[in-house]
Amino acid sequence: DVKVTQSSRYLVKRTGEKVFLECVQDMDHENMFWYRQDPGLGLRLIYFSYDVKMKEKGDIPEGYSVSREKKERFSLILESASTNQTSMYLCASSFLITPTDTQYFGPGTRLTVL
Amino acid sequence: GENVEQHPSTLSVQEGDSAVIKCTYSDSASNYFPWYKQELGKRPQLIIDIRSNVGEKKDQRIAVTLNKTAKHFSLHITETQPEDSAVYFCAASKRGDSWGKLQFGAGTQVVVTP
Repeated sequence: DVKVTQSSRYLVKRTGEKVFLECVQDMDHENMFWYRQDPGLGLRLIYFSYDVKMKEKGDIPEGYSVSREKKERFSLILESASTNQTSMYLCASSFLITPTDTQYFGPGTRLTVL
Repeated sequence: GENVEQHPSTLSVQEGDSAVIKCTYSDSASNYFPWYKQELGKRPQLIIDIRSNVGEKKDQRIAVTLNKTAKHFSLHITETQPEDSAVYFCAASKRGDSWGKLQFGAGTQVVVTP
């Protein structure tokens, strides 16, 4: 059974703080993704990674960076948190090459920036 | 890039009735179309998917249809039950491109009333 875990379910930070969100998967997946979920906007891709130390920008990368030092771990970094980054953050992973591109999601981190 | 539009944003149905959610996509090269279900407070999970070489796929009470010419696909839920209440997301991707990146619709909140 695929397991994707995220470091926190709820997080409260202050404006200007540096924030780290971590995601770990245990299925040896090559691909990992970070999304933010906002009401009425669906799931929007922030960054993704297809291999260790490799990353690609998604649709809304501004204000975020990522790190993937190990295959199983993908971190999302908010260098200087702002109130408009208050959101639900979802991590996902998938195999690089399969007949389908099923993405397995983590439970999400609800981040509030005050 | 790919753009996926999803309608309606909310859908209320009586238990036992059918529910239909429709999505349109912009990139004619897209060839994989999954549907994810997100129950309240839980992570999104794949419920059904379809590839562009198939026009329809069924799995018990859910079915997905694809019209490549019109670039739209739909989710059909028959004999709805209270446990079908959730947010449903459609998505589209191009196999062999973008490392399995999915473009999601904005989501449909389905409420099944007893």
